[in-house]
Amino acid sequence: KAGVTQTPRYLIKTRGQQVTLSCSPISGHRSVSWYQQTPGQGLQFLFEYFSETQRNKGNFPGRFSGRQFSNSRSEMNVSTLELGDSALYLCASSFWGENTEAFFGQGTRLTVV
Amino acid sequence: GESVGLHLPTLSVQEGDNSIINCAYSNSASDYFIWYKQESGKGPQFIIDIRSNMDKRQGQRVTVLLNKTVKHLSLQIAATQPGDSAVYFCAENTGNQFYFGTGTSLTVIP
Repeated sequence: KAGVTQTPRYLIKTRGQQVTLSCSPISGHRSVSWYQQTPGQGLQFLFEYFSETQRNKGNFPGRFSGRQFSNSRSEMNVSTLELGDSALYLCASSFWGENTEAFFGQGTRLTVV
Repeated sequence: GESVGLHLPTLSVQEGDNSIINCAYSNSASDYFIWYKQESGKGPQFIIDIRSNMDKRQGQRVTVLLNKTVKHLSLQIAATQPGDSAVYFCAENTGNQFYFGTGTSLTVIP
């Protein structure tokens, strides 16, 4: 069974640009969550999608958005990039999203210069 | 809001010894917990989970203990090996969201 796949693995963007990251969950999983990981901040929750609907959202500005497709694949978008957006972006997939095992992808390392 | 904290940011153990990593959580309504291991350059790897109707769960070389009275979670690793060196996170599930601690860095000394 394939794991969670995130693409691309690495990205370098310039301030002001926008970026789209992709996450393919484990087959059969319908919940996809996105997290930002930075040194000292740990994993911070961005949002969670289930069956194409955003069910939960963390405390990030509106520049961070996401969506989920009918095949459960998810994308997150960050517009007007800032230097502070440099981080490892992780997605996790689970069957239900609540009280079930959640498995992470390898992450996308975003560097904003 | 919820907060999940770790008592020790770093832990060093001798190879072969047992390791204990602790975690405190604040939301008494949380009913599902997971321990993750994250190696450098990789995403967090699921280790073991426990539900609030249990106080102990064992896996291969790992045991998770849950004390709901004091809202405390611990991960015990038996016979720690060099490959166990990593950052360990606990996560509590409330609703559709997981809350993570900042992590404990475990270093295994050969």
